[in-house]
Amino acid sequence: GESVGLHLPTLSVQEGDNSIINCAYSNSASDYFIWYKQESGKGPQFIIDIRSNMDKRQGQRVTVLLNKTVKHLSLQIAATQPGDSAVYFCAERPYNTDKLIFGTGTRLQVFP
Amino acid sequence: EAGVVQSPRYKIIEKKQPVAFWCNPISGHNTLYWYRQNLGQGPELLIRYENEEAVDDSQLPKDRFSAERLKGVDSTLKIQPAELGDSAVYLCASSLSGGTSPGELFFGEGSRLTVL
Repeated sequence: GESVGLHLPTLSVQEGDNSIINCAYSNSASDYFIWYKQESGKGPQFIIDIRSNMDKRQGQRVTVLLNKTVKHLSLQIAATQPGDSAVYFCAERPYNTDKLIFGTGTRLQVFP
Repeated sequence: EAGVVQSPRYKIIEKKQPVAFWCNPISGHNTLYWYRQNLGQGPELLIRYENEEAVDDSQLPKDRFSAERLKGVDSTLKIQPAELGDSAVYLCASSLSGGTSPGELFFGEGSRLTVL
């Protein structure tokens, strides 16, 4: 869904299931992408990054997929845990800049 | 090792009053950022410092906002006078240039400003 102010897109998953959070980025010239996690009352926390010369990168329980053709980024979380509950932001860096542009977040809710 | 430290955590002021936020980055991090985050949205960059030099302040509303990073360590962000629309969380972040993950910023917990 589209996010307007307080109405963040929300993904609800059961503990132990896999989660997929999607992000559409805006600038076809962006060459670097990052996912951040933000828990309530805290600042964003870096999760994983990927450069535009890759289409997949794996971390611990997380995988980021990049589809440059449709300007789409996704974050997959394996075996989702209650501690994964947070708002997730993707960010892009336009080519030849040091600027990070954050997208609208997605709230992940994990229920038992 | 201590993370990015910000103060105050919360501030409530009336419009037209001044307010200041302070940030102490992670030791050794030469790049410091101030972001503003409105409720339900992603952070938006206000200003970025490389050491004591402001290298990107294009999004800083310079009529009422000012920032400084004397000696290239801690930093202050000031708003004078505050307006109702300035209510937001002000996030400070720092990073180390030349790392393998250039987008890895370390954020503080933020300073939540409410302007009445």
